[in-house]
Amino acid sequence: DTGVSQDPRHKITKRGQNVTFRCDPISEHNRLYWYRQTLGQGPEFLTYFQNEAQLEKSRLLSDRFSAERPKGSFSTLEIQRTEQGDSAMYLCASSHPYRTSNYGYTFGSGTRLTVV
Amino acid sequence: SQELEQSPQSLIVQEGKNLTINCTSSKTLYGLYWYKQKYGEGLIFLMMLQKGGEEKSHEKITAKLDEKKQQSSLHITASQPSHAGIYLCGAPPEGGKLIFGQGTELSVKP
Repeated sequence: DTGVSQDPRHKITKRGQNVTFRCDPISEHNRLYWYRQTLGQGPEFLTYFQNEAQLEKSRLLSDRFSAERPKGSFSTLEIQRTEQGDSAMYLCASSHPYRTSNYGYTFGSGTRLTVV
Repeated sequence: SQELEQSPQSLIVQEGKNLTINCTSSKTLYGLYWYKQKYGEGLIFLMMLQKGGEEKSHEKITAKLDEKKQQSSLHITASQPSHAGIYLCGAPPEGGKLIFGQGTELSVKP
């Protein structure tokens, strides 16, 4: 297992278009998290899943944002009707409930979204 | 809701010098994670502290947790250019997710 994979690495889209990002977590990790990070800030929590259940959503996650993890494996984050303010790095992380003290939450390399 | 504040926000040091980064929580800490991030990349896990007074080291980086002060410090000894990057502290409030401080940007001048 090579870690958490995110696709694409970069996405440029026109305002108003829909975009979808994919995250493949480490296979034995049952928890998966999405974060958004803008320049000069720490990652902001968006949502997280335990297996296929979405357990928490931040109020940052407007109606235009939706996340799924249909079979408890990979996850997708969709942004509808993108706005320039959505430009950011979108990070995915996964964790094993009993191994976070030694290995932490494992992050992917992120998807950088630019809305023009 | 819990907030983490890091200080300083940015730091420039001469290679070989020691430095300390602080992370202060607005609420009780039930564990504290330190990560490093290179520009445009994901976060790399450094270490996790669970109990008050706990201290861990990884190569030349040492972190301590002061539960009473709701604070953690990250100390780098004899800094090198490879230490440059953004250091982030994260804490798990109830619910399983991590929340993060705003980050400390470290530059090391050769």
